[in-house]
Amino acid sequence: ETGVTQTPRHLVMGMTNKKSLKCEQHLGHNAMYWYKQSAKKPLELMFVYSLEERVENNSVPSRFSPECPNSSHLFLHLHTLQPEDSALYLCASSQDNSGGYEQYFGPGTRLTVT
Amino acid sequence: GNSVTQMEGPVTLSEEAFLTINCTYTATGYPSLFWYVQYPGEGLQLLLKATKADDKGSNKGFEATYRKETTSFHLEKGSVQVSDSAVYFCALSRSSGSARQLTFGSGTQLTVLP
Repeated sequence: ETGVTQTPRHLVMGMTNKKSLKCEQHLGHNAMYWYKQSAKKPLELMFVYSLEERVENNSVPSRFSPECPNSSHLFLHLHTLQPEDSALYLCASSQDNSGGYEQYFGPGTRLTVT
Repeated sequence: GNSVTQMEGPVTLSEEAFLTINCTYTATGYPSLFWYVQYPGEGLQLLLKATKADDKGSNKGFEATYRKETTSFHLEKGSVQVSDSAVYFCALSRSSGSARQLTFGSGTQLTVLP
């Protein structure tokens, strides 16, 4: 596989469930990101990991818990979510010492909380 | 702080029409600038980038020039196709500790009619 992959592509969960989103990058990058994309709202940066350390957490509720076990994998653990958490969750990666700092995105996980 | 302002959509054009999507930014220092495209049901794809003033990014017939004097990075294409229908995001890079991050505009929906 190449690029950035995300699983599952679609997820429906109840408010009392616990689930995890997975992201894997095959680009040899050293930084990974979680974004939330909701209808009619700008893209929201949730978490940033650089060299496997979390460097930014943009006031995200504690019901979202990220994990970055190595530079290729990023997880987002979900528990007791609310219906307003329904959105497209995008993962991205970048090489932080390159010239352009562009990020490469996965296809996203479409999450529906019922 | 850093910000990106895009022209509001939606934009509807006929095939072979000329496209301009305006983007202006506010930033400290000298950010890199990007255009991303999101096709229905997919994640964001990097379309083009420019890393310094007067640079022109180009890809798939799209172009944008980094204009420092007007703080702009307008996206243009001379002849759009139906397959260009998507949401277009302007973005700039910023540093945050050890990781560069992107600030996105709100996106512009483009629909091209045959």
